[in-house]
Amino acid sequence: NAGVTQTPKFRVLKTGQSMTLLCAQDMNHEYMYWYRQDPGMGLRLIHYSVGEGTTAKGEVPDGYNVSRLKKQNFLLGLESAAPSQTSVYFCASSRRQGANPFDQPQHFGDGTRLSIL
Amino acid sequence: SQELEQSPQSLIVQEGKNLTINCTSSKTLYGLYWYKQKYGEGLIFLMMLQKGGEEKSHEKITAKLDEKKQQSSLHITASQPSHAGIYLCGADISSNTGKLIFGQGTTLQVKP
Repeated sequence: NAGVTQTPKFRVLKTGQSMTLLCAQDMNHEYMYWYRQDPGMGLRLIHYSVGEGTTAKGEVPDGYNVSRLKKQNFLLGLESAAPSQTSVYFCASSRRQGANPFDQPQHFGDGTRLSIL
Repeated sequence: SQELEQSPQSLIVQEGKNLTINCTSSKTLYGLYWYKQKYGEGLIFLMMLQKGGEEKSHEKITAKLDEKKQQSSLHITASQPSHAGIYLCGADISSNTGKLIFGQGTTLQVKP
């Protein structure tokens, strides 16, 4: 059972470089999310998607872009990396059920540790 | 300020002791989730609570959501070293928008 897979697991970038983080889920979940985790801050939602071809802003979207071209994949892009984006990034997915689409638990990947120098 | 406050921030207990972690919000919680995270790993889903007064248990872990749906507690009975890790509560406080917020986490150490 792969669940939610994030690639890469580690990456070091220089300020101004760009990169894309990939999240893939094999559970046929409709919803996918990107979070960042910083010490003492818990997890903060960057962007999320409620279905293929749709995305929405979360709590801290600035400096990031996302795309959901396929249901199973959710990409997080950093166009011009900044040191403030040094963090651990987590992807999650959840299924839709019933009238309340957000009452299903989110399943998380193992994270991507990103350092920007 | 943190919209979802966890207390304590860290906890060290002797193996076999009981402990409680609290998660408090000033707003109504629409779905409260408890997760556990081991250092360097992802989050593992523990339990989800939706109804005021709801209580769920799994093995030695019990979670409750108070009647007003503004506070949840996670109780571990007879703690073991395997319970060590970071416990996070997450909730939707904006009525089904999908924008979950998380507490800052509680780090638990269990001394053998």
